[in-house]
Amino acid sequence: NAGVTQTPKFRVLKTGQSMTLLCAQDMNHEYMYWYRQDPGMGLRLIHYSVGEGTTAKGEVPDGYNVSRLKKQNFLLGLESAAPSQTSVYFCASSPGLAGAGGELFFGEGSRLTVL
Amino acid sequence: TQLLEQSPQFLSIQEGENLTVYCNSSSVFSSLQWYRQEPGEGPVLLVTVVTGGEVKKLKRLTFQFGDARKDSSLHITAAQPGDTGLYLCAGAYGYSGGGADGLTFGKGTHLIIQP
Repeated sequence: NAGVTQTPKFRVLKTGQSMTLLCAQDMNHEYMYWYRQDPGMGLRLIHYSVGEGTTAKGEVPDGYNVSRLKKQNFLLGLESAAPSQTSVYFCASSPGLAGAGGELFFGEGSRLTVL
Repeated sequence: TQLLEQSPQFLSIQEGENLTVYCNSSSVFSSLQWYRQEPGEGPVLLVTVVTGGEVKKLKRLTFQFGDARKDSSLHITAAQPGDTGLYLCAGAYGYSGGGADGLTFGKGTHLIIQP
């Protein structure tokens, strides 16, 4: 049972480089999310999607872009990485609205370091 | 941004002891979730509480939702090393128009159970 899979799990970038994090879920969930987790800051929502072809901004969207071309995939892009984007990134999916109490299923995380 | 305060931030106790961690807000939630996160992994849902005053038990873990639905507690009886982890609460505001913009996470309680 794969659930939510994130790739890559680790990445080191130089300032100004670009990269894409891939999230794939095999549970046929409509809703998908990208969070970042930083020490002392908890989980903060970057972007989310309520269905294929849709995206919306979360709490901390600046510097990130997302795409949901297929229902099972949610991509997070950094066009020009900055040291402030050093973090652990988590993808999650849910069968129902998270804001309505729907359970979130998380991936294992992607640790990104920007030098 | 709505705030969820978790306390204590860090707790280290001996195996066999009891403990309680708290999740507080000035806002009313439609539901509240507790997640546990182990090192190198994503959070995993433990429980969702919905009704004010509700108590749910999961083996040695007891979750309570405050009568006014503004706070919650997690009590662990006879803690074991396997309980070690980061405990996160997440409050849902019952938004129906979006995905995750109606869900906010606390910063978590780091719990260490020493053998």
